[in-house]
Amino acid sequence: VQLVESGGGLVQPGGSLRLSCAASGFTFRNSWMTWVRQAPGKGLEFVANIGQDGGEKYYVDSVKGRFTISRDNAENSVSLQMNSLRAEDTAMYYCAEGGTTWGYWGQGTLVTVSS
Amino acid sequence: QSALTQPPSASGSPGQSVTISCTGTSSDVGGYNYVSWYQQHPGKAPKLMIYDVTKRPSGVPDRFSGAKSGNTASLTVSGLQAEDEADYYCSSYAGRKARVFGGGTKLTVL
Repeated sequence: VQLVESGGGLVQPGGSLRLSCAASGFTFRNSWMTWVRQAPGKGLEFVANIGQDGGEKYYVDSVKGRFTISRDNAENSVSLQMNSLRAEDTAMYYCAEGGTTWGYWGQGTLVTVSS
Repeated sequence: QSALTQPPSASGSPGQSVTISCTGTSSDVGGYNYVSWYQQHPGKAPKLMIYDVTKRPSGVPDRFSGAKSGNTASLTVSGLQAEDEADYYCSSYAGRKARVFGGGTKLTVL
């Protein structure tokens, strides 16, 4: 199993970024997928998850209306579109396989929101 | 979507046992048997150690065990080894729309 995140970087407050996660080594279309973030020196925080066919999506309250999770089962990928970014969104963003229990994690991609 | 409560630190000597608690509510830990525990070494991604309260994934040593009583779950590490020094996080299902983590516990092997 391999999960590889990309798309992180430095962005100004109010800006946008799109994170992607390429999955391999398991039957992607059968798995829920989740984004989890970790601010520098802080704990883990659930951000969003998406069901197998993309029909169910759930978000932590702090990102509702700003972030959108999506998936492409043909490409074995899951994405996180992040708009109206704030300083408090600065974190390492991890892609993880599963909806409630996360047995496989990517290495993370760092998002820094700063002027 | 309040975070679960974990002690910020725990410690033990090599060979000893240490237990880390994770306290939630009847809406998360107490309401479902979907508590999991993750180990995270500095600069690394989290690793699943326990799921569904008591189950151990393949490859995780049986020195790691999980339990739950009421609204509090716990992770016990027996026979402490130097490589067990890490941050540990609990997580719980909290209904279809929510997943919550604990604040994390830094385990030090003395």
